[in-house]
Amino acid sequence: NAGVTQTPKFQVLKTGQSMTLQCAQDMNHEYMSWYRQDPGMGLRLIHYSVGAGITDQGEVPNGYNVSRSTTEDFPLRLLSAAPSQTSVYFCASSYSRGARFYEQYFGPGTRLTVT
Amino acid sequence: AQKITQTQPGMFVQEKEAVTLDCTYDTSDQSYGLFWYKQPSSGEMIFLIYQGSYDEQNATEGRYSLNFQKARKSANLVISASQLGDSAMYFCAMRDGANTDTGRRALTFGSGTRLQVQP
Repeated sequence: NAGVTQTPKFQVLKTGQSMTLQCAQDMNHEYMSWYRQDPGMGLRLIHYSVGAGITDQGEVPNGYNVSRSTTEDFPLRLLSAAPSQTSVYFCASSYSRGARFYEQYFGPGTRLTVT
Repeated sequence: AQKITQTQPGMFVQEKEAVTLDCTYDTSDQSYGLFWYKQPSSGEMIFLIYQGSYDEQNATEGRYSLNFQKARKSANLVISASQLGDSAMYFCAMRDGANTDTGRRALTFGSGTRLQVQP
């Protein structure tokens, strides 16, 4: 299993440009999430999904869109990049069985710089 | 709302000694899970240990153990016999059992503690 993969690893955008960060997992996990990590801070939830066709907003959703057309893929779209979106972006996936909360598996991250 | 507090921005420990990283949490739910992740300088997020709110015993995974005090809402990570490779950022995170289908599926993170192990 490749686990959770993210592309690209690095990206530089100009203010106003749009782009899509790709995320895929091959573990058949129902749940997928996008987080951003700013310097010296923990991860903050942008959007998440509990299954194909179902998404919802997290703590910091403004400026980002997601969709989940398949179980495997969960792309994150930046609509009009701003310098405040300079960050490291992590995609994660997990599953749930009964009452136990299972850990999230993280991708390697995408380092995005907006100039 | 969920909240995770890590009050130690940085910690130093001597190699082979034990160290405790603090974490307190706030949730109104009775069912929740607490997680610790390690983030080395290379940037990946590595899962270390999990504690469920209904677990009767403190979780242990090798050199990692979780000192879970439910009444005090604390979930401190204890690393025994520190190694140089333990130098990293450590994040405490929580997933609660809020009775919304989407609410239980993502994590709330603390701001992290940077641990430096000295030889």
